[in-house]
Amino acid sequence: ETGVTQSPTHLIKTRGQQVTLRCSSQSGHNTVSWYQQALGQGPQFIFQYYREEENGRGNFPPRFSGLQFPNYSSELNVNALELDDSALYLCASSLAGRVLAHYGYTFGSGTRLTVV
Amino acid sequence: QKEVEQDPGPLSVPEGAIVSLNCTYSNSAFQYFMWYRQYSRKGPELLMYTYSSGNKEDGRFTAQVDKSSKYISLFIRDSQPSDSATYLCAVGDSNTGNQFYFGTGTSLTVIP
Repeated sequence: ETGVTQSPTHLIKTRGQQVTLRCSSQSGHNTVSWYQQALGQGPQFIFQYYREEENGRGNFPPRFSGLQFPNYSSELNVNALELDDSALYLCASSLAGRVLAHYGYTFGSGTRLTVV
Repeated sequence: QKEVEQDPGPLSVPEGAIVSLNCTYSNSAFQYFMWYRQYSRKGPELLMYTYSSGNKEDGRFTAQVDKSSKYISLFIRDSQPSDSATYLCAVGDSNTGNQFYFGTGTSLTVIP
């Protein structure tokens, strides 16, 4: 059974650019959630995808968008990057549908994004 | 007011000590309570999961939920150097859009 894998592991972008981060879910998991973890902070919920549709969104602007594919893998896209977008971006998969999981998440190791 | 508050520490204890980590939360509707452990440069891994209130024990780890005071705790017995990590509490509810709210994390160092 494979875990959650994210790519790339590190990324440096310039302010104003766009970035795409990728995530492969743990085998058998059908729900993907994305979190942003700034340095010294806890993860903050960006959004969740279930069956290729957005299933909940946190307090993030529309320039944060996502996709989920039929194989349950997912992408996080961020447009017009700002310096404050520098953070660890975590993907988490679960068996949850519309009801919050009773199993918690399985997190990937994250993508460290630095915006300069 | 933040949904969950956690003392960031850092906390430093000798090997073998009992560690107590705590969080408070604001919304009495929260029903799911979790503790995650995060090693440096890694994603969080689920340690303990509790639904509603009460205690749950798993080896050296015990999670407690006191819904009357909106207080959750994680106890680590016989702490080991390998327990050195950041511990994150998280809360959630099926009515809050399928998201978990995380504390800021407590950094723990267990000294051999």
